[in-house]
Amino acid sequence: DIQMTQSPSSLSASVGDRVTITCRASKSISDYLNWYQQKPGKAPDLLMYGTSSLHSGVPSRFSGSGSGTEFTLTISSLHPEDFATYFCQQSYGAPYTFGQGTKVESK
Amino acid sequence: QVQLQQSGPGLVKPSQTLSLTCAISGDMITNNNADWTWIRQSPSRGLEWLGRTYYRSKWYNDYAESVKSRISINPDTSKNEFSLHLSSVTPEDTAVYFCARFLVPGSTYNYYDFWGQGTLVTVSS
Repeated sequence: DIQMTQSPSSLSASVGDRVTITCRASKSISDYLNWYQQKPGKAPDLLMYGTSSLHSGVPSRFSGSGSGTEFTLTISSLHPEDFATYFCQQSYGAPYTFGQGTKVESK
Repeated sequence: QVQLQQSGPGLVKPSQTLSLTCAISGDMITNNNADWTWIRQSPSRGLEWLGRTYYRSKWYNDYAESVKSRISINPDTSKNEFSLHLSSVTPEDTAVYFCARFLVPGSTYNYYDFWGQGTLVTVSS
């Protein structure tokens, strides 16, 4: 199975901050990398697919980059509704594994 | 708009079988561009892919190695739903269980675009 490792596991930030989350794959997954946002008590919501394509309705302050084994999710200017947990997920091959999550908390 | 509605008990006794159902609206379970998946989430295991059922002219199933001997995911075309059965459960199977649609458009990227509401299943006597 492909292992996905996110860093950091949590971070504290303020509204307006630029936030970057890293995801590493245990083998090359090309650009088959998705990002999800999860709020407490809810299912994850798709943010981005194919490394850098925004899902419908996702604000442009979210962006993604990377290829191979290293990927980043960037929030250019944190909004109050962005405090949540973020997960990466590889869609290169089954089982489609997830990272362990990065919790973005209010400083 | 696709909706996935989960149903099933929130409490299961150790050694018994956990059974959940996911009813699909807004799509057909026979969609050749979708995998119908069960995923669970717990503090110790994170988001764990359990398995999928999908139709590509015939039915296929895939299961995670960690539960392969205990799991069954079954489609029901008459009800447009699919079910999860996990046998011989232990407290380690306590988790929030989600059903989800994994969209497989063919020539582009694949992703989970619709999820059920989640069911907290506790394994306890």
